[in-house]
Amino acid sequence: GNSVTQMEGPVTLSEEAFLTINCTYTATGYPSLFWYVQYPGEGLQLLLKATKADDKGSNKGFEATYRKETTSFHLEKGSVQVSDSAVYFCALINTGFQKLVFGTGTRLLVSP
Amino acid sequence: EAQVTQNPRYLITVTGKKLTVTCSQNMNHEYMSWYRQDPGLGLRQIYYSMNVEVTDKGDVPEGYKVSRKEKRNFPLILESPSPNQTSLYFCASSPPGGFYETQYFGPGTRLLVL
Repeated sequence: GNSVTQMEGPVTLSEEAFLTINCTYTATGYPSLFWYVQYPGEGLQLLLKATKADDKGSNKGFEATYRKETTSFHLEKGSVQVSDSAVYFCALINTGFQKLVFGTGTRLLVSP
Repeated sequence: EAQVTQNPRYLITVTGKKLTVTCSQNMNHEYMSWYRQDPGLGLRQIYYSMNVEVTDKGDVPEGYKVSRKEKRNFPLILESPSPNQTSLYFCASSPPGGFYETQYFGPGTRLLVL
């Protein structure tokens, strides 16, 4: 079946540190991959997405590259800010399925 | 402003007392979905709808009902809530292209069933 595995959190960083949140997936075929972000007390928002192998999604300084050979979609940011503190969800959707499959989420805490 | 709204945002109820969580979107989206979010489990789809009068089960539909009589509304009904339905619930909608497109999420409804 389709599944997404994310690194456990929380991830605690100082402001301006480099961020990596690992995400790997299991799926047949060619799923589309997403990162959603959930700020405290809010719903999820799309952060970035990639629809085919080697695509790079980017937004707000975050990047993730769709790596089919390693079935990964790791989220990176070169310099995090306190305002990036949130829960980050990796997700996929596969052809023929009418749902997003989410990972368990990774909480990021950035201190000044 | 394009948005998905949910009501109520917070609800405390007792076992067996029927409740409805409303969801409405103003983007004319055809696709709508309900998820529940639980610690350590991420989000799991409860039900989805691909258009008016077209609904189908997601991964965890037991104990829930939905209806889609109008394009903009997709209420979630708990006929006889139980404590294991205590959770954070999100409604989401998607433009044409379905769930492969960006999903727009509501702010969430936190439900406690005693």
